[in-house]
Amino acid sequence: AQSVTQLDSHVSVSEGTPVLLRCNYSSSYSPSLFWYVQHPNKGLQLLLKYTSAATLVKGINGFEAEFKKSETSFHLTKPSAHMSDAAEYFCVVSLYNNNDMRFGAGTRLTVKP
Amino acid sequence: DGGITQSPKYLFRKEGQNVTLSCEQNLNHDAMYWYRQDPGQGLRLIYYSQIVNDFQKGDIAEGYSVSREKKESFPLTVTSAQKNPTAFYLCASSRLNNEQFFGPGTRLTVL
Repeated sequence: AQSVTQLDSHVSVSEGTPVLLRCNYSSSYSPSLFWYVQHPNKGLQLLLKYTSAATLVKGINGFEAEFKKSETSFHLTKPSAHMSDAAEYFCVVSLYNNNDMRFGAGTRLTVKP
Repeated sequence: DGGITQSPKYLFRKEGQNVTLSCEQNLNHDAMYWYRQDPGQGLRLIYYSQIVNDFQKGDIAEGYSVSREKKESFPLTVTSAQKNPTAFYLCASSRLNNEQFFGPGTRLTVL
């Protein structure tokens, strides 16, 4: 069965510094991987997705993620944090079809001025 | 203006009462989903439906029921059998085998 582990429950960065949110996955086959962002009391918004094409995936708002099969990782990065990036981020893995999506526990990103 | 709507945004219920959460989408998506979110946890799947008049249990279906009479609607009923219903409920939809799009959520509080 597939699963996903977000290695940090909370990450704090200063505005203008790089962001790294870590995600490891477990899957017997080639998975589809996603990052979603959730602002307080809101629904989830898709940031980016990997579906077996290019291993470096670019998303919205300057975020990108790299699929590394050898490390079973799909870390989310951004070169320069903005105050509006403060939110909860979820790494998601799915197998066969996207009806069975497994969510990580989430990483709360805090951005300090 | 396409999207997913959930109503109400906040809902209060007395113990022992059933309550129904609404989810509507105008994206023409075949599949719809209900998730529950608790503080510090990821989303857990309650029910999903891939086609009208058909739905499947997710990981935590006990105490919940759904219907899918129309493609655009997938209401969730939280019954009195649900032991701990206070949570944030999220509805999503997708084309088959594509990424899911989420509604804004309903926060249910049991008094």
